[in-house]
Amino acid sequence: GAVVSQHPSRVICKSGTSVKIECRSLDFQATTMFWYRQFPKKSLMLMATSNEGSKATYEQGVEKDKFLINHASLTLSTLTVTSAHPEDSSFYICSARRGHEQYFGPGTRLTVT
Amino acid sequence: AQSVTQPDIHITVSEGASLELRCNYSYGATPYLFWYVQSPGQGLQLLLKYFSGDTLVQGIKGFEAEFKRSQSSFNLRKPSVHWSDAAEYFCAVGAFNDMRFGAGTRLTVKP
Repeated sequence: GAVVSQHPSRVICKSGTSVKIECRSLDFQATTMFWYRQFPKKSLMLMATSNEGSKATYEQGVEKDKFLINHASLTLSTLTVTSAHPEDSSFYICSARRGHEQYFGPGTRLTVT
Repeated sequence: AQSVTQPDIHITVSEGASLELRCNYSYGATPYLFWYVQSPGQGLQLLLKYFSGDTLVQGIKGFEAEFKRSQSSFNLRKPSVHWSDAAEYFCAVGAFNDMRFGAGTRLTVKP
């Protein structure tokens, strides 16, 4: 149990466009989901905490207007990278909290050309 | 503030040899501690976790970790490494809504 999916697994977009990444908890309800960013050969950096029905909480230095997070249901959170630029290229990983643990999705590789 | 230190960026071991990956943490209360493994281009897989109780924790794939409060450590061990263990390993500390990851240790396994 406790499976988290992400879609898409890979996406390539042109500079200036927006891209949406979905994170779903498949077999449990998650009032809290998290979005991480991972640079090559680096650790995971928490970007924001997404709470169902309320505004996301962003970590210091993360632009909330650029990385739009919506958590409209107990099983779905979305991250939209707006006006993407090549420096936004990265591996984005979501997780969903159940109890004391976070269950991680498989990640989304975003490449902005 | 909580933080995690993994002192070894890269470790190389021979297949069949024992392995120990180090993790030190800083946390204001009793921490929840985790070890995750990540294969290239993949998400994170939980190896094991410590919340309370027995300080020696058994995980999947033959891994174990020992929580030592006096040393603020949670080192990961495996008695005999397999080639398929080559991956990136992350130690994490946290509770509920705040999980912090170490920088990771990349494990290379020599045949």
